[in-house]
Amino acid sequence: ELKVEQNPLFLSMQEGKNYTIYCNYSTTSDRLYWYRQDPGKSLESLFVLLSNGAVKQEGRLMASLDTKARLSTLHITAAVHDLSATYFCAVDARQGAQKLVFGQGTRLTINP
Amino acid sequence: DTEVTQTPKHLVMGMTNKKSLKCEQHMGHRAMYWYKQKAKKPPELMFVYSYEKLSINESVPSRFSPECPNSSLLNLHLHALQPEDSALYLCASSPVPTTYEQYFGPGTRLTVT
Repeated sequence: ELKVEQNPLFLSMQEGKNYTIYCNYSTTSDRLYWYRQDPGKSLESLFVLLSNGAVKQEGRLMASLDTKARLSTLHITAAVHDLSATYFCAVDARQGAQKLVFGQGTRLTINP
Repeated sequence: DTEVTQTPKHLVMGMTNKKSLKCEQHMGHRAMYWYKQKAKKPPELMFVYSYEKLSINESVPSRFSPECPNSSLLNLHLHALQPEDSALYLCASSPVPTTYEQYFGPGTRLTVT
Protein backbone atom coordinates (compact mmCIF):
# COMPACT_ATOMS: atom_id res chain seq x y z
CA GLU A 1 0.00 0.00 0.00
CA LEU A 2 1.36 3.38 -0.99
CA LYS A 3 2.12 5.73 1.89
CA VAL A 4 2.99 9.39 1.46
CA GLU A 5 4.61 11.36 4.25
CA GLN A 6 5.26 15.06 4.42
CA ASN A 7 7.41 16.98 6.80
CA PRO A 8 7.19 19.22 8.52
CA LEU A 9 3.44 19.14 9.19
CA PHE A 10 3.49 22.67 10.57
CA LEU A 11 5.82 25.44 9.53
CA SER A 12 5.86 28.98 10.82
CA MET A 13 8.35 31.24 9.16
CA GLN A 14 9.16 34.88 8.68
CA GLU A 15 8.79 36.78 5.48
CA GLY A 16 11.95 36.82 3.42
CA LYS A 17 13.23 33.44 4.64
CA ASN A 18 13.75 30.27 2.62
CA TYR A 19 12.46 26.85 3.54
CA THR A 20 11.80 23.39 2.12
CA ILE A 21 8.91 20.97 2.52
CA TYR A 22 9.70 17.29 2.01
CA CYS A 23 7.47 14.58 0.58
CA ASN A 24 8.52 10.93 0.86
CA TYR A 25 6.60 8.02 -0.60
CA SER A 26 6.85 4.31 -0.09
CA THR A 27 6.45 2.62 -3.48
CA THR A 28 7.66 3.28 -7.01
CA SER A 29 5.88 6.08 -8.84
CA ASP A 30 6.98 8.69 -11.34
CA ARG A 31 3.95 10.93 -11.04
CA LEU A 32 3.87 13.43 -8.23
CA TYR A 33 1.69 16.48 -7.77
CA TRP A 34 1.74 19.47 -5.47
CA TYR A 35 -1.46 21.25 -4.45
CA ARG A 36 -2.23 24.28 -2.35
CA GLN A 37 -5.32 24.67 -0.17
CA ASP A 38 -6.42 27.88 1.53
CA PRO A 39 -8.64 27.57 4.64
CA GLY A 40 -12.19 26.57 3.72
CA LYS A 41 -11.31 26.42 0.04
CA SER A 42 -10.64 23.78 -2.57
CA LEU A 43 -7.33 22.51 -3.91
CA GLU A 44 -5.30 24.42 -6.47
CA SER A 45 -2.78 22.58 -8.63
CA LEU A 46 0.75 23.94 -8.31
CA PHE A 47 3.10 21.48 -10.01
CA VAL A 48 3.04 18.23 -11.96
CA LEU A 49 6.30 16.23 -11.81
CA LEU A 50 6.40 13.30 -14.20
CA SER A 51 9.98 12.06 -14.35
CA ASN A 52 13.09 11.58 -12.31
CA GLY A 53 14.98 14.85 -11.96
CA ALA A 54 11.99 16.97 -12.95
CA VAL A 55 12.17 20.51 -11.63
CA LYS A 56 9.40 23.08 -11.96
CA GLN A 57 9.37 26.68 -10.77
CA GLU A 58 6.60 29.22 -10.42
CA GLY A 59 7.38 32.49 -8.70
CA ARG A 60 8.82 31.84 -5.25
CA LEU A 61 8.03 28.10 -5.34
CA MET A 62 10.18 25.40 -6.86
CA ALA A 63 9.41 21.68 -6.85
CA SER A 64 11.67 18.75 -7.67
CA LEU A 65 11.36 14.98 -7.92
CA ASP A 66 13.89 12.23 -7.22
CA THR A 67 12.16 8.95 -8.07
CA LYS A 68 15.14 6.85 -6.97
CA ALA A 69 15.01 8.33 -3.48
CA ARG A 70 11.17 8.47 -3.63
CA LEU A 71 11.41 12.09 -2.55
CA SER A 72 9.99 15.37 -3.73
CA THR A 73 10.76 18.79 -2.33
CA LEU A 74 8.87 22.08 -2.44
CA HIS A 75 11.26 24.97 -1.88
CA ILE A 76 10.03 28.39 -0.88
CA THR A 77 12.30 31.34 -1.63
CA ALA A 78 11.98 34.69 0.16
CA ALA A 79 8.58 33.82 1.59
CA VAL A 80 5.74 36.34 1.51
CA HIS A 81 2.54 36.34 3.56
CA ASP A 82 0.40 35.39 0.53
CA LEU A 83 2.04 31.96 0.48
CA SER A 84 0.41 31.05 3.81
CA ALA A 85 -1.70 27.94 3.09
CA THR A 86 -1.68 24.17 3.46
CA TYR A 87 0.45 22.38 0.88
CA PHE A 88 -0.21 18.79 -0.11
CA CYS A 89 1.88 16.45 -2.19
CA ALA A 90 0.08 13.58 -3.90
CA VAL A 91 1.45 10.48 -5.56
CA ASP A 92 -0.30 8.48 -8.27
CA ALA A 93 -0.78 4.90 -7.04
CA ARG A 94 -1.58 3.92 -10.64
CA GLN A 95 -4.39 1.46 -10.45
CA GLY A 96 -5.42 1.85 -14.07
CA ALA A 97 -7.18 5.15 -13.57
CA GLN A 98 -5.33 7.83 -11.67
CA LYS A 99 -5.46 7.20 -7.95
CA LEU A 100 -3.91 9.99 -5.92
CA VAL A 101 -2.70 9.31 -2.42
CA PHE A 102 -2.13 12.54 -0.53
CA GLY A 103 0.41 13.36 2.13
CA GLN A 104 -0.87 14.72 5.43
CA GLY A 105 -0.32 18.31 4.34
CA THR A 106 2.05 21.01 5.58
CA ARG A 107 0.36 23.99 7.19
CA LEU A 108 2.53 26.96 6.34
CA THR A 109 2.19 30.27 8.18
CA ILE A 110 4.30 33.19 7.06
CA ASN A 111 4.59 36.03 9.53
CA PRO A 112 5.45 39.62 8.61
CA ASP B 1 -14.13 27.00 -19.40
CA THR B 2 -11.59 25.60 -16.94
CA GLU B 3 -13.89 25.15 -14.02
CA VAL B 4 -15.39 22.34 -12.03
CA THR B 5 -18.64 23.40 -10.38
CA GLN B 6 -20.35 21.73 -7.44
CA THR B 7 -23.79 22.21 -5.96
CA PRO B 8 -24.90 22.78 -3.34
CA LYS B 9 -22.13 24.66 -1.51
CA HIS B 10 -23.52 23.66 1.87
CA LEU B 11 -25.89 20.86 2.84
CA VAL B 12 -27.38 19.95 6.19
CA MET B 13 -29.27 16.68 6.29
CA GLY B 14 -30.74 14.34 8.84
CA MET B 15 -29.76 10.72 9.11
CA THR B 16 -32.97 9.58 7.43
CA ASN B 17 -32.81 11.99 4.50
CA LYS B 18 -31.89 11.29 0.90
CA LYS B 19 -29.95 13.97 -0.91
CA SER B 20 -27.60 14.30 -3.88
CA LEU B 21 -24.43 16.22 -4.61
CA LYS B 22 -23.81 17.40 -8.14
CA CYS B 23 -20.57 18.05 -10.00
CA GLU B 24 -20.17 19.42 -13.52
CA GLN B 25 -17.25 20.17 -15.84
CA HIS B 26 -17.12 21.32 -19.44
CA MET B 27 -13.41 20.84 -20.11
CA GLY B 28 -13.90 17.61 -22.03
CA HIS B 29 -12.28 15.60 -19.24
CA ARG B 30 -13.18 11.92 -19.26
CA ALA B 31 -12.07 11.07 -15.72
CA MET B 32 -14.02 12.32 -12.70
CA TYR B 33 -13.47 11.76 -9.00
CA TRP B 34 -15.15 12.08 -5.62
CA TYR B 35 -13.08 12.80 -2.52
CA LYS B 36 -13.99 13.20 1.13
CA GLN B 37 -11.99 15.62 3.27
CA LYS B 38 -12.35 15.87 7.03
CA ALA B 39 -11.13 18.99 8.82
CA LYS B 40 -7.35 19.37 8.90
CA LYS B 41 -6.88 16.10 6.96
CA PRO B 42 -5.91 15.34 3.37
CA PRO B 43 -8.54 14.43 0.77
CA GLU B 44 -9.37 10.73 0.60
CA LEU B 45 -10.40 9.19 -2.67
CA MET B 46 -13.87 7.66 -2.75
CA PHE B 47 -14.69 6.92 -6.40
CA VAL B 48 -13.17 7.28 -9.85
CA TYR B 49 -15.09 7.28 -13.12
CA SER B 50 -13.23 6.84 -16.37
CA TYR B 51 -15.20 7.25 -19.62
CA GLU B 52 -18.40 7.26 -17.57
CA LYS B 53 -17.63 3.86 -16.06
CA LEU B 54 -16.83 3.30 -12.40
CA SER B 55 -13.19 2.23 -12.28
CA ILE B 56 -12.26 2.66 -8.62
CA ASN B 57 -14.44 2.30 -5.52
CA GLU B 58 -12.36 2.67 -2.39
CA SER B 59 -14.58 0.38 -0.32
CA VAL B 60 -17.00 3.22 0.35
CA PRO B 61 -20.14 2.31 2.36
CA SER B 62 -23.23 1.74 0.24
CA ARG B 63 -24.96 4.76 1.77
CA PHE B 64 -22.87 6.69 -0.77
CA SER B 65 -23.92 5.92 -4.35
CA PRO B 66 -22.12 7.56 -7.28
CA GLU B 67 -23.57 8.10 -10.70
CA CYS B 68 -22.07 9.44 -13.93
CA PRO B 69 -24.97 10.14 -16.34
CA ASN B 70 -22.71 11.66 -19.00
CA SER B 71 -19.15 12.81 -19.55
CA SER B 72 -19.78 16.24 -17.98
CA LEU B 73 -21.79 15.32 -14.93
CA LEU B 74 -21.09 13.37 -11.75
CA ASN B 75 -23.54 12.84 -8.91
CA LEU B 76 -23.17 11.45 -5.42
CA HIS B 77 -26.39 10.15 -3.93
CA LEU B 78 -26.56 10.13 -0.15
CA HIS B 79 -28.88 8.03 1.99
CA ALA B 80 -29.01 7.18 5.69
CA LEU B 81 -25.77 8.96 6.47
CA GLN B 82 -24.12 9.05 9.86
CA PRO B 83 -22.81 12.13 11.71
CA GLU B 84 -19.25 10.97 11.04
CA ASP B 85 -19.93 11.43 7.32
CA SER B 86 -19.92 15.19 7.87
CA ALA B 87 -17.06 16.53 5.77
CA LEU B 88 -16.11 18.55 2.70
CA TYR B 89 -16.89 16.55 -0.43
CA LEU B 90 -14.70 17.46 -3.36
CA CYS B 91 -15.21 16.60 -6.98
CA ALA B 92 -12.33 16.63 -9.45
CA SER B 93 -11.77 15.93 -13.12
CA SER B 94 -8.78 15.25 -15.33
CA PRO B 95 -8.00 14.51 -18.94
CA VAL B 96 -7.38 10.92 -20.02
CA PRO B 97 -4.70 9.56 -20.17
CA THR B 98 -4.51 10.49 -16.55
CA THR B 99 -1.01 11.87 -16.42
CA TYR B 100 -2.29 15.37 -15.90
CA GLU B 101 -3.27 17.08 -12.71
CA GLN B 102 -6.78 16.90 -11.39
CA TYR B 103 -8.89 20.04 -11.34
CA PHE B 104 -10.88 20.34 -8.15
CA GLY B 105 -14.27 21.91 -7.62
CA PRO B 106 -15.03 24.19 -4.65
CA GLY B 107 -16.60 21.38 -2.66
CA THR B 108 -19.84 20.77 -0.81
CA ARG B 109 -19.67 21.11 2.94
CA LEU B 110 -21.97 18.43 4.33
CA THR B 111 -23.28 18.32 7.87
CA VAL B 112 -25.25 15.27 9.03
CA THR B 113 -27.39 15.86 12.10
